[in-house]
Amino acid sequence: AQSVAQPEDQVNVAEGNPLTVKCTYSVSGNPYLFWYVQYPNRGLQFLLKYITGDNLVKGSYGFEAEFNKSQTSFHLKKPSALVSDSALYFCAVSQNNNDMRFGAGTRLTVKP
Amino acid sequence: KAGVTQTPRYLIKTRGQQVTLSCSPISGHRSVSWYQQTPGQGLQFLFEYFSETQRNKGNFPGRFSGRQFSNSRSEMNVSTLELGDSALYLCASSLDPGPYEQYFGPGTRLTVT
Repeated sequence: AQSVAQPEDQVNVAEGNPLTVKCTYSVSGNPYLFWYVQYPNRGLQFLLKYITGDNLVKGSYGFEAEFNKSQTSFHLKKPSALVSDSALYFCAVSQNNNDMRFGAGTRLTVKP
Repeated sequence: KAGVTQTPRYLIKTRGQQVTLSCSPISGHRSVSWYQQTPGQGLQFLFEYFSETQRNKGNFPGRFSGRQFSNSRSEMNVSTLELGDSALYLCASSLDPGPYEQYFGPGTRLTVT
């Protein structure tokens, strides 16, 4: 069965600095990888996905993620963090169905 | 387009009771998935419906069930509620099953006392 790991519970960055939120996955075949963000008292919002093709995926709000097959990773990145990026971020994996497995989440705090 | 709607938003029930939660997907979306979110267990997949059929099921007891109607709306039911069922229940819809992004509703906050 597929699974993802988000090794950091919490990531703190200063506004304007680059940010990285880490995700590694485990899957028997080709993975479909997703990043979602959750703001307080709200549902999850889709940020970006990797299905196939270019390893660098660009998504909403200036976020991007890099698929690395050899390291089984799909880290989320942003060149310049904003205070408004502070939220809970989830990495997820599925395999051609909607049985999507989510990581435990990483709380990103961007300080002014 | 209207987003995914879930009703009710908040619910308080007593142990042993049953509860039904409702989800209306985005217009045109045919696949609906349900998740349970708790601080301890995180986001856990409950089940997925497409064309009124359950396609996938997570590792939850039989007290958790669901169904989908011909208009793609979905309901989930939890019978014989336990304290541990207190959670945020999220519904998500997507165009079809497959590698499509899911769009989540705001959730139903269930508290079992």
